[in-house]
Amino acid sequence: QKEVEQDPGPLSVPEGAIVSLNCTYSNSAFQYFMWYRQYSRKGPELLMYTYSSGNKEDGRFTAQVDKSSKYISLFIRDSQPSDSATYLCANGGVNQAGTALIFGKGTTLSVSS
Amino acid sequence: NAGVTQTPKFQVLKTGQSMTLQCAQDMNHNSMYWYRQDPGMGLRLIYYSASEGTTDKGEVPNGYNVSRLNKREFSLRLESAAPSQTSVYFCASSFTNTEAFFGQGTRLTVV
Repeated sequence: QKEVEQDPGPLSVPEGAIVSLNCTYSNSAFQYFMWYRQYSRKGPELLMYTYSSGNKEDGRFTAQVDKSSKYISLFIRDSQPSDSATYLCANGGVNQAGTALIFGKGTTLSVSS
Repeated sequence: NAGVTQTPKFQVLKTGQSMTLQCAQDMNHNSMYWYRQDPGMGLRLIYYSASEGTTDKGEVPNGYNVSRLNKREFSLRLESAAPSQTSVYFCASSFTNTEAFFGQGTRLTVV
């Protein structure tokens, strides 16, 4: 399986800051991308899903994909203490065996009030 | 909506014991997955099932077996548990080529 690389952090920011989380992926055949949020002792929760280059916005969250550089980002505007969690990026697609989904190791974010 | 349901939520096993982790989804998804999550290692794929009747190995399949019982259910079996299998196990499901949804996890300790 090809990899998804993600800086593990931890990343600490004050409330209200803009947060940028980043990943790189290596398998250009896998064409869709996701960001998950995981609170401590909980399952990953889907935040954003996209399959095209460019930006996708949902409230305070913006997912950005640059397929030419194999780079994906998540921006969080006006960050809140409730955003403190681990953020996982994922790259998915179909190979010979079926659907595959590869995750980065996650970035831990702490937002202080 | 229940989504993806995993049982049990917690389990302690002795080395050499066997157990089955159960997973069921009510979203009519065709693909289902089992991951384990360990500190510093992220989510690692154990096995997945692209559709009912098919299963394939992921990144870390050794020591595990799976059964896709029907479209809704995908179980993970540990035949002879080892301390290295102490982990948090997550089941997930998706349609082909779409986002995956996760259960709340099973915390397994092997002593």
